[in-house]
Amino acid sequence: GEDVEQSLFLSVREGDSSVINCTYTDSSSTYLYWYKQEPGAGLQLLTYIFSNMDMKQDQRLTVLLNKKDKHLSLRIADTQTGDSAIYFCAEGETSYDKVIFGPGTSLSVIP
Amino acid sequence: DAGVIQSPRHEVTEMGQEVTLRCKPISGHNSLFWYRQTMMRGLELLIYFNNNVPIDDSGMPEDRFSAKMPNASFSTLKIQPSEPRDSAVYFCASSLGNSNTGELFFGEGSRLTVL
Repeated sequence: GEDVEQSLFLSVREGDSSVINCTYTDSSSTYLYWYKQEPGAGLQLLTYIFSNMDMKQDQRLTVLLNKKDKHLSLRIADTQTGDSAIYFCAEGETSYDKVIFGPGTSLSVIP
Repeated sequence: DAGVIQSPRHEVTEMGQEVTLRCKPISGHNSLFWYRQTMMRGLELLIYFNNNVPIDDSGMPEDRFSAKMPNASFSTLKIQPSEPRDSAVYFCASSLGNSNTGELFFGEGSRLTVL
């Protein structure tokens, strides 16, 4: 079945870059997502990439996709204390199908 | 737009009691998902509906769990009888099935504690 893996914790200093990595198993994944969860809240979509792309940049966020290795990464440039949250990697086959989430990476930003 | 609305936000109950969690999806969205989040198991998909029809309930842990979607604007997740291991945050999410991205919009969650 589908499986999404990511490291559980990451700690960086304010101003540094953060890189969160993810691997997935479903080769049929068309949509790959990064969601952000702040304490006590639901998840919010941060960014996404289609499987036919290998990079997407959106302001401080850069998503890299290596489809051959089924590896996805999220880079946050100039990380701020407000970026402290849990980041979930997720995959879906279609826009209306189920979305499978990884365990989440808890990012701590040290001032 | 009010977003996905879940109730109750918090519930504390005793083992054996029935629990009903409620969700109102975003108007016009035709897919609805129930997820459960725990420290040990992360975010698990329990069940999802397209156009009010259950599509995949393979994530429902056992027969004590049931979910309904009687119309496009309301869904319930029921646990009967509840057990301490059901303690978790339950999220409802909705999406527009024909969107470009399949983005899920999450509610704020219902935190359930079963004593």
